[in-house]
Amino acid sequence: DVKVTQSSRYLVKRTGEKVFLECVQDMDHENMFWYRQDPGLGLRLIYFSYDVKMKEKGDIPEGYSVSREKKERFSLILESASTNQTSMYLCASSSRANTEAFFGQGTRLTVV
Amino acid sequence: RKEVEQDPGPFNVPEGATVAFNCTYSNSASQSFFWYRQDCRKEPKLLMSVYSSGNEDGRFTAQLNRASQYISLLIRDSKLSDSATYLCVVISYNQGGKLIFGQGTELSVKP
Repeated sequence: DVKVTQSSRYLVKRTGEKVFLECVQDMDHENMFWYRQDPGLGLRLIYFSYDVKMKEKGDIPEGYSVSREKKERFSLILESASTNQTSMYLCASSSRANTEAFFGQGTRLTVV
Repeated sequence: RKEVEQDPGPFNVPEGATVAFNCTYSNSASQSFFWYRQDCRKEPKLLMSVYSSGNEDGRFTAQLNRASQYISLLIRDSKLSDSATYLCVVISYNQGGKLIFGQGTELSVKP
């Protein structure tokens, strides 16, 4: 059974904290993505990576950074969390053949 | 203009109805197309890929119109369990394989 696993389902952090969201996939996929999902705004792409150590900005990269040191792991970093980063964060992966993308179960982050 | 646009709905239909969703995309270099389904508080899951020739899976039919740059999803004989948000997804190879989502169309099937 294919899997994308996010490290936490629910997370509460304080304003100004550095936050790490981890995503691991076991399908040997080249592409990995981080999205945030907010009511009425749909899924918005933050960053994606098409190979180890490679990253591309998505539509809303401000306030975020990413790390892809190993093929199976893609980390999203909030350098200094703010309340407007309260959201559902979804990680996804897909193969270079660009067939189906698989999602993790999501991390609901609340910044207080 | 958004790269991928969908009518957000909600679509409220009775059981047994036929319902159709459309999705338009702006990048003519788009190459792969999908419909995903997302249940409340869950992650999106693939419903079906969309092929140029159109494809059908049971009560679901997907169509692609490259000339007009839209894809559609038709659901026949709606069931209560079809209630969900349906997301249109486009991949454009000239953007490095980036997955681009529409904002989703909410469907509610009523008894």
